[in-house]
Amino acid sequence: QVQLVESGGGLVKPGGSLRLSCAASGFTFSDYYMSWIRQAPGKGLEWVSYVSTSSDYTNYADSVKGRFTISRDNAKNSLYLQMNSLRAEDTAVYYCATGGYDFVYWGQGTLVTVSS
Amino acid sequence: QSALTQPRSVSGSPGQSVTISCTGTSSDVGAYNYVSWYQQHPGKAPKLVIYDVIKRPSGVPDRFSGSKSGNTASLTISGLQAEDEAEYSCCSYAASYTLVFGGGTRLTVL
Repeated sequence: QVQLVESGGGLVKPGGSLRLSCAASGFTFSDYYMSWIRQAPGKGLEWVSYVSTSSDYTNYADSVKGRFTISRDNAKNSLYLQMNSLRAEDTAVYYCATGGYDFVYWGQGTLVTVSS
Repeated sequence: QSALTQPRSVSGSPGQSVTISCTGTSSDVGAYNYVSWYQQHPGKAPKLVIYDVIKRPSGVPDRFSGSKSGNTASLTISGLQAEDEAEYSCCSYAASYTLVFGGGTRLTVL
């Protein structure tokens, strides 16, 4: 069965960096666009970024552009999100999901807390 | 990238129908037939219930249906059941190859 398992979340100070990972299994990872979506505590979902199957195309929400970098390693069935210059408003549960404009499979999420 | 507009909450009794609206602009909902809807129970990951405005993934009951008129998409749940109580969020493809979500609607089954 399809599994997406995020890791790498935690507590980080404003201005700090964090790298999230998403391990995929149960499907042909290299066939799917992949995305990161986040949800701040008590708030709605917010699309963060997507990457194409062969990493040719990436795109970002304005709120993270220039600070976050999405990448993937198809050989390792893994998706990544490098987050730099973190701000308090980046505090959220970060989900990885399959797809680029609709999201069929989701992980359980990893919590990122940005606080001093 | 302004969020799509959804009502904060809706409610209905078991067996009734409810409709949740999702209003965007001519640059997102009105421009593309790439509107999707997600059901999220507390503490759980979202689940896709409608994609491409009107399509249902396999395994989603046909009580769930989607539609769109102009800049507003809608999710209708007929024959409400207790397990439908959840948060529902819409999402649309938007300008510059980005995506935008709605703020979410809390559905209460009375």
